[in-house]
Amino acid sequence: DSGVTQTPKHLITATGQRVTLRCSPRSGDLSVYWYQQSLDQGLQFLIQYYNGEERAKGNILERFSAQQFPDLHSELNLSSLELGDSALYFCASSVDDNPQQFFGPGTRLTVL
Amino acid sequence: AQSVSQHNHHVILSEAASLELGCNYSYGGTVNLFWYVQYPGQHLQLLLKYFSGDPLVKGIKGFEAEFIKSKFSFNLRKPSVQWSDTAEYFCAVNAHGNNRLAFGKGNQVVVIP
Repeated sequence: DSGVTQTPKHLITATGQRVTLRCSPRSGDLSVYWYQQSLDQGLQFLIQYYNGEERAKGNILERFSAQQFPDLHSELNLSSLELGDSALYFCASSVDDNPQQFFGPGTRLTVL
Repeated sequence: AQSVSQHNHHVILSEAASLELGCNYSYGGTVNLFWYVQYPGQHLQLLLKYFSGDPLVKGIKGFEAEFIKSKFSFNLRKPSVQWSDTAEYFCAVNAHGNNRLAFGKGNQVVVIP
């Protein structure tokens, strides 16, 4: 158990819908990262937040957005969902500028 | 931006055989290197990491990796695998000062009892 929690574990929804994935980092970690794991693209970095502020952006679609709240938990919002958004979404956290990240169990999103 | 290459996506071997998984990255600056393992249905777990110092790094479960700077490589090895090593293995890189991880496509390793 890494100490990073993610909810829900599984999510099944329809095209065009909007979902919110939630992540709680390890106690004391200020940085939260979101990654998408899909069969065709592999593991890709989406976005990083540090202490409530966006720090880095990767291959994140405009339909996707994220935020980090004052209690440091983070939410990834996915809207206008398409079949191709079906994937495993991982959250990771790290202490300040420590490059080592600890991964949560992931949320498996299925878009039908 | 960094990129990571892993070859031989599917590896099948017998218990007690030796395992070596290749990882090459492309980035001109100083990097941090990682190997993660993902057991079936589970999340990513860190096997080992290299930040600096001795290029031969020992990790958990008998795994080790060697950083060869001149070859931009960070190959993973285990002298004798077990059935429980069946998993997917990912090499990852981030640059000093930029914590976003770039992952390779992964190696699916199946160990036959």
